[in-house]
Amino acid sequence: QQQVKQSPQSLIVQKGGISIINCAYENTAFDYFPWYQQFPGKGPALLIAIRPDVSEKKEGRFTISFNKSAKQFSLHIMDSQPGDSATYFCAASNTGTASKLTFGTGTRLQVTL
Amino acid sequence: NAGVTQTPKFQVLKTGQSMTLQCAQDMNHEYMSWYRQDPGMGLRLIHYSVGAGITDQGEVPNGYNVSRSTTEDFPLRLLSAAPSQTSVYFCASREGAGNQPQHFGDGTRLSIL
Repeated sequence: QQQVKQSPQSLIVQKGGISIINCAYENTAFDYFPWYQQFPGKGPALLIAIRPDVSEKKEGRFTISFNKSAKQFSLHIMDSQPGDSATYFCAASNTGTASKLTFGTGTRLQVTL
Repeated sequence: NAGVTQTPKFQVLKTGQSMTLQCAQDMNHEYMSWYRQDPGMGLRLIHYSVGAGITDQGEVPNGYNVSRSTTEDFPLRLLSAAPSQTSVYFCASREGAGNQPQHFGDGTRLSIL
């Protein structure tokens, strides 16, 4: 049972464009929604995260939009750069000390010149 | 500042062999976990630990054992390797609460022939 569904599987965006990755979750007990960025040969690294008490969080060119009623959240990368080319994973968990992070299936982003 | 260190980086095994993937962290994190990453399936949780002496199963525990004798180390054991265990394995750690960032190692790429 996939609790966090992510789309698209891959994405090609021109330099300067907007990259949008979408995720949907099923478990209403989730209350922490991070995005991780992974470069080839490296482990994932936390990019940005949001709690469900806010609808949007922005850090530089990266923005998370959150829709609690629809159980959906998305990552927007503004002014996409070739250095943003990586695989992006959405994830969800609750905030307990024994909570487990459930990941989406990943989106491979390629930003072209 | 090492963070999470995984060894080895690459390993090839024959079906039926056993081996231990090592993971060590120097951040004094209580929570540690193992994931496997397969194409199109994201990161799936194998086992996790909320502190020394405490371990529990994740989503895909079959064929894997773990132990946590110290805060720093969390080895993953394959008792009898199978081709289905060919994957990239990531170890991660975080401070106690589920809304803290997970710090990942750079992975072990394991092939079972």
